Amino acid sequence: QVQLKESGPGLVQPSQTLSLTCTVSGFSLMDYSVHWVRQPPGKGLEWMGRMKYDGDTYYNSALKSRLSISRDTSKSQVFLKMNSLQTEDTAIYYCTRELRRVHYFDYWGQGVMVTVSS
Amino acid sequence: DIVLTQSPALAVSLGQRATISCKTNQNVDYYGNSYMHWYQQKPGQQPKLLIYLASNLASGIPARFSGRGSGTDFTLTIDPVEADDTATYYCQQSRNLPWTFGGGTKLELK
Repeated sequence: QVQLKESGPGLVQPSQTLSLTCTVSGFSLMDYSVHWVRQPPGKGLEWMGRMKYDGDTYYNSALKSRLSISRDTSKSQVFLKMNSLQTEDTAIYYCTRELRRVHYFDYWGQGVMVTVSS
Repeated sequence: DIVLTQSPALAVSLGQRATISCKTNQNVDYYGNSYMHWYQQKPGQQPKLLIYLASNLASGIPARFSGRGSGTDFTLTIDPVEADDTATYYCQQSRNLPWTFGGGTKLELK
């Protein structure tokens, strides 16, 4: 069945780089796009960026200078890297699958909590 | 970017109707489809798809949930409301990148 699972460090120091991995199963990254969405504690959802099925990427303009999304299709993994982290980047980070043609998120990972603190 | 506006909170009684609105600052219709979707999020859980393309019920979602709207005005209705429906509801548009979410509406019971 379709699954997405985020992994990465729970704690990152300010000004450092965050690296997260989304490992998917039950589908191919060459057939479906995967997005990253984050949620600060007690706040709403923020769309961060997308790895399209054809390898194209698109980023939230507010994060574009700090954010990079890549993938390894052979390992069914999508990677998020974001540098210059600040306390405001403390959030739950989700990866989610986009259903093609109708463009909504049909499956979500459980999320990974990342705290930015010294 | 397309901005989605939701009221922050709504309180309804059990068995009554809840109507949650989402207004956008740009039209999200394209070739006969409204690229507006609704998600439910309970504390400690990831969001779950309820309604896609404005009015289509996602798989496994009870018929108590319905969606309507087009252009820039959309609503999610829950009728009748059950205790398990207490959650935060988000609208999301996929008409244009960057995709954007509304701020969420927290549904509480009176």
